[in-house]
Amino acid sequence: SQTIHQWPATLVQPVGSPLSLECTVEGTSNPNLYWYRQAAGRGLQLLFYSVGIGQISSEVPQNLSASRPQDRQFILSSKKLLLSDSGFYLCAWSVDSTYEQYFGPGTRLTVT
Amino acid sequence: DQQVKQNSPSLSVQEGRISILNCDYTNSMFDYFLWYKKYPAEGPTFLISISSIKDKNEDGRFTVFLNKSAKHLSLHIVPSQPGDSAVYFCAASARGDQFYFGTGTSLTVIP
Repeated sequence: SQTIHQWPATLVQPVGSPLSLECTVEGTSNPNLYWYRQAAGRGLQLLFYSVGIGQISSEVPQNLSASRPQDRQFILSSKKLLLSDSGFYLCAWSVDSTYEQYFGPGTRLTVT
Repeated sequence: DQQVKQNSPSLSVQEGRISILNCDYTNSMFDYFLWYKKYPAEGPTFLISISSIKDKNEDGRFTVFLNKSAKHLSLHIVPSQPGDSAVYFCAASARGDQFYFGTGTSLTVIP
């Protein structure tokens, strides 16, 4: 069966510090991978999606970036965090873009 | 621009009664719709889906209805149970494109 892992579960970082969130998927090959952010009082906002290694599409301009160094690994990064980057970050995978997505447990990021 | 809207941020229902969660969309190209359930500090879990070729899909206590002319879908939970208390997101896509999520409705089922 497929599983998706995200870490860390919670993170408190000062403004201006770097960020690295990691997501890995097990039990499937060549999944579509997604990074979402859920900010307080808002829905799920798609940040990045990837259909293959090294292929990243950005949906929202921001100071975040994503990379996919391996087939089942997806990394969300920032060089300098802003207060507005606080939120709940979710990684998800799907068989392809037309099917339902399966979400990881999420990372609660608080930028202070 | 919010293409998928859930206008009720919260809903309270008595245990055993029906819960109806609503979702509206603006893009007439959307042809695949999903509902997710989310507990606090966890990722959403897929609940039920419906394709635009149908107007109803049922799975146990959960039924999703789609009204394409009104660009409206709803999730019915019958009977509601305390364990159903969670935030429910609807999502929509045009096949081959990304999913757009609503802002969520927090359901509280009162024992």
